[in-house]
Order: sequence, then C-alpha cells, then structure tokens
Amino acid sequence: DVKVTQSSRYLVKRTGEKVFLECVQDMDHENMFWYRQDPGLGLRLIYFSYDVKMKEKGDIPEGYSVSREKKERFSLILESASTNQTSMYLCASRGLLANEQFFGPGTRLTVL
Amino acid sequence: QKEVEQNSGPLSVPEGAIASLNCTYSDRGSQSFFWYRQYSGKSPELIMSIYSNGDKEDGRFTAQLNKASQYVSLLIRDSQPSDSATYLCAVTSYGKLTFGQGTILTVHP
Repeated sequence: DVKVTQSSRYLVKRTGEKVFLECVQDMDHENMFWYRQDPGLGLRLIYFSYDVKMKEKGDIPEGYSVSREKKERFSLILESASTNQTSMYLCASRGLLANEQFFGPGTRLTVL
Repeated sequence: QKEVEQNSGPLSVPEGAIASLNCTYSDRGSQSFFWYRQYSGKSPELIMSIYSNGDKEDGRFTAQLNKASQYVSLLIRDSQPSDSATYLCAVTSYGKLTFGQGTILTVHP
C-alpha cells in the first residue's frame, strides 16, 4: 500500500513565522502535490513536483514555496505565515505511469 | 464555469437506498475520472476510477462515465450509515487533477 505521511496533524503558528510542512512518501513516486482545503472552496492545488528539484506552480502559489531535494520528500514553506493561510494542508503523491493519486493524513494549520 | 461541478447537496438518503452523486466537467480532453470519499477530519480516499465510457462496478459502488455529455456519476447501492461522508469528484483536466467542491452524503438509519 502507498503510504504518504505528513510531519504534523495539527500546527499552531503566529503571524509572520516561517512554517515548514513536510511530506514523505514510501512508494518511489515521481509526482508529489500540495493542496489546501477550505470549506466552500474545495481542494486547491498550491504546488506540484514531477521530479527531484523540479517544481511547478499550481492554482494558488502566492505566499508559498516548495522544496524537493529528495525523491521521497516534498516540503511546503510559508515564508511569513498570515491568518488567511489557516487551512487544512494535504500532500499527495502519484507514480509516473499511474493515474491514481494518494493523499497523506493532512495538517491542520492555524495561524494566530 | 467551474472546471468540475458536483450536485450541491447535501444529500440525505435512508439506509438501504441508492445514493446518486453527479459531476460534470468542462474539459473535453479529460481522460481520467475519480471518486474520492472523505470522512470528516480525514484526508480523501480513492474509491473509484474510470477511464472509458460506460459503467464500472466495484462492490456496492458503480461509476458511470459519459464523455459526450461530459458527465460522471457515482451510485452507491444499499447505502449504509458508514457511507456518510463527503464525496469528491476529480478529473484530469488541462494536465492536472481538478477536484469538484464535494457532495455531503448522509445515510440515516
């Protein structure tokens, strides 16, 4: 079974702090994704990566950056957290020739 | 027009009934279609995928795809209270996976 893990289930940070959200997958998947999920807005793609050191902007990249130094790990960075970044953050991965995408358990981030 | 739209819900059905969830999409070039189930406070879990026109059955779940009408649906037969969740339709669109807003399903005993 594909396993996607995220570093924290719940996180509380203060406005202006730098925040790191980590995601690790154990299935040697090439593709990894970061989404945020908000009531009424659904799942929105922030960034994705097709390979190590590769990154592509999704639909809402503003205020975020990412890092993929190793194939199994994809990090989401909030350079200066703001209250409007309070959300559920979901990481996902997908194999190169596969269509199905698998999600991690999510990190609920609160920015005060 | 949203790229992927689902019937707004919430949908409430009695135990044992058929629940019908619907989804339309805008990109005629879409090739892959998925249904995810998401329990409250949990992450989405893939339950069905469909790639060609027609029906695909898996246990109590049937996915239906009509590319000409740009329509995909999910039928849940013999609905159980444990099926109560948000169901997300996802479509490979413009090279990426795009999700609908989700439909909340409640199955009451």
